[in-house]
Amino acid sequence: QQQVKQSPQSLIVQKGGIPIINCAYENTAFDYFPWYQQFPGKGPALLIAIRPDVSEKKEGRFTISFNKSAKQFSLHIMDSQPGDSATYFCAATNTGNQFYFGTGTSLTVIP
Amino acid sequence: GAVVSQHPSWVICKSGTSVKIECRSLDFQATTMFWYRQFPKQSLMLMATSNEGSKATYEQGVEKDKFLINHASLTLSTLTVTSAHPEDSSFYICSARKASGGGELFFGEGSRLTVL
Repeated sequence: QQQVKQSPQSLIVQKGGIPIINCAYENTAFDYFPWYQQFPGKGPALLIAIRPDVSEKKEGRFTISFNKSAKQFSLHIMDSQPGDSATYFCAATNTGNQFYFGTGTSLTVIP
Repeated sequence: GAVVSQHPSWVICKSGTSVKIECRSLDFQATTMFWYRQFPKQSLMLMATSNEGSKATYEQGVEKDKFLINHASLTLSTLTVTSAHPEDSSFYICSARKASGGGELFFGEGSRLTVL
């Protein structure tokens, strides 16, 4: 049973576009929702994270939108650049327990 | 962000030999470290969870006698692939959860294992 469902599987946007990646979860006990960025041959890097007490968090060009009632959260990348081309994973956890990861979204930003 | 060092980044070995991969949290203490295996273009597959000073907890289907995990200190965990076979060839990634603060999870750079 997948704890976190991520979509889409892949995404292609033009430079300057705003790709949106969505995740949904079931366990209402989750209290921390990070996003990771992974380049080929590298480990995932923590990009941005949110906790359920806020509905939005912004860091640079990356924004997380969080909808607690719908049990959904999404990543928005503003003014996307070719260097943003990577695989993005959402995750969820209940403090002290393991992290549950989405299946990943392969993003390609076309120059 | 916090730094997790994983070594070696790549290794090639002969079938039947053992390989050890180290994972160190360089600037924070990690009570919990996780080991993942990742196949091309796929998500992270959790292999085991290790807590400092206790035995690792393995996920279903992961052979604990083949993938030996030791969490010797709050900053070091090791994964040893024993009697490696070509089917063990994969990308192995460790992660460490901060013991303090928000409990964020940070990943190592990964280790590419090729068994000939």
